[in-house]
Amino acid sequence: DTEVTQTPKHLVMGMTNKKSLKCEQHMGHRAMYWYKQKAKKPPELMFVYSYEKLSINESVPSRFSPECPNSSLLNLHLHALQPEDSALYLCASTPGGGRPGNEQFFGPGTRLTVL
Amino acid sequence: GEDVEQSLFLSVREGDSSVINCTYTDSSSTYLYWYKQEPGAGLQLLTYIFSNMDMKQDQRLTVLLNKKDKHLSLRIADTQTGDSAIYFCAVGGGATNKLIFGTGTLLAVQP
Repeated sequence: DTEVTQTPKHLVMGMTNKKSLKCEQHMGHRAMYWYKQKAKKPPELMFVYSYEKLSINESVPSRFSPECPNSSLLNLHLHALQPEDSALYLCASTPGGGRPGNEQFFGPGTRLTVL
Repeated sequence: GEDVEQSLFLSVREGDSSVINCTYTDSSSTYLYWYKQEPGAGLQLLTYIFSNMDMKQDQRLTVLLNKKDKHLSLRIADTQTGDSAIYFCAVGGGATNKLIFGTGTLLAVQP
């Protein structure tokens, strides 16, 4: 298994809803990442987990809550989002704990629309 | 912080070479990457280069790095319509390999 999977592919939610995005990899990678990508813009890093511990939080609002239950799984819990949070959310993983030069493997993303 | 810039758009004819350029500001960046993103999809790593290298060739792809000018380029030989996509350069390093992406270049290949 050499891929990163993300579910769901598409998500539409209201501003009062609570939902979760899921990312999974079975490559034994020990660093996992959440990125947010707006249309026609580059991905922006949100969170990094290294060996299941949060190592980077890029000052992301608390309405986004990451969770890494085990080394294969990364969740992003969403609550009270705003319409401007609508974007493509990308997950990535990399071998080891995220050593420089190791390729980041990206999932296909979840397209989120907040109404 | 790091600033990574690319030209927004490049149009070429099928069979020609494409050259996509990227400039960055942080000279301590140790790894420089090129990713491809097709519409509605995630990012696919094409190639990367260490900062102590000047050039790397991988089949139709050639990466050139000018560290003095902080300039990175990706040349695609014999460009095909399937190469049409957005290309992002990214610079990385540090303990968690945090990547800073460029603004992206849309490559349009005309048949």
